[in-house]
Amino acid sequence: GENVEQHPSTLSVQEGDSAVIKCTYSDSASNYFPWYKQELGKRPQLIIDIRSNVGEKKDQRIAVTLNKTAKHFSLHITETQPEDSAVYFCAASRTYDKVIFGPGTSLSVIP
Amino acid sequence: KAGVTQTPRYLIKTRGQQVTLSCSPISGHRSVSWYQQTPGQGLQFLFEYFSETQRNKGNFPGRFSGRQFSNSRSEMNVSTLELGDSALYLCASRVGLAGSDTQYFGPGTRLTVL
Repeated sequence: GENVEQHPSTLSVQEGDSAVIKCTYSDSASNYFPWYKQELGKRPQLIIDIRSNVGEKKDQRIAVTLNKTAKHFSLHITETQPEDSAVYFCAASRTYDKVIFGPGTSLSVIP
Repeated sequence: KAGVTQTPRYLIKTRGQQVTLSCSPISGHRSVSWYQQTPGQGLQFLFEYFSETQRNKGNFPGRFSGRQFSNSRSEMNVSTLELGDSALYLCASRVGLAGSDTQYFGPGTRLTVL
């Protein structure tokens, strides 16, 4: 069945450094790849998403890249700040289909 | 627009009981999905309803069921509760049509089974 893997499971970086989280998906028909941030005790919030007809998308300090051939996509956060500390989830889906989430990455930004 | 809302926010039940959770989607959204979130298993997909019909289903036992009403509000029911059902149950809504796949999550219902 469909599966999304995510690495690393935990990540610790110094404030100001970059953080990279990588995901792979199994369903080659997947065409939508969102990233969610979940702070402790709060709901997951969409931070950026990318569709299969685009290779890269940026939004200020956040960027996502997609390699359809290799079936993997990555989240890049530059100039990390303490408020970036949270659990990040990648996900993949096809149109009309269920959204499958990766297991999450716990990011800690050390001041 | 108001966001996704869920009621109740917290529930405590005992084994063998049943429970019903409610989700009100963002106005105009016709799709509601349900997820179970536990520390060890992440976000596990339960099912999705679109225009009152179950459109997708995850790998959960038949004790987990749901429905959607004509106003797009959705309910999820768990019968014969087990200790392992203790989790945060999140619902998420989206428009549900092609090209509109962004999901917005509710705050969740924290279910504790004793």
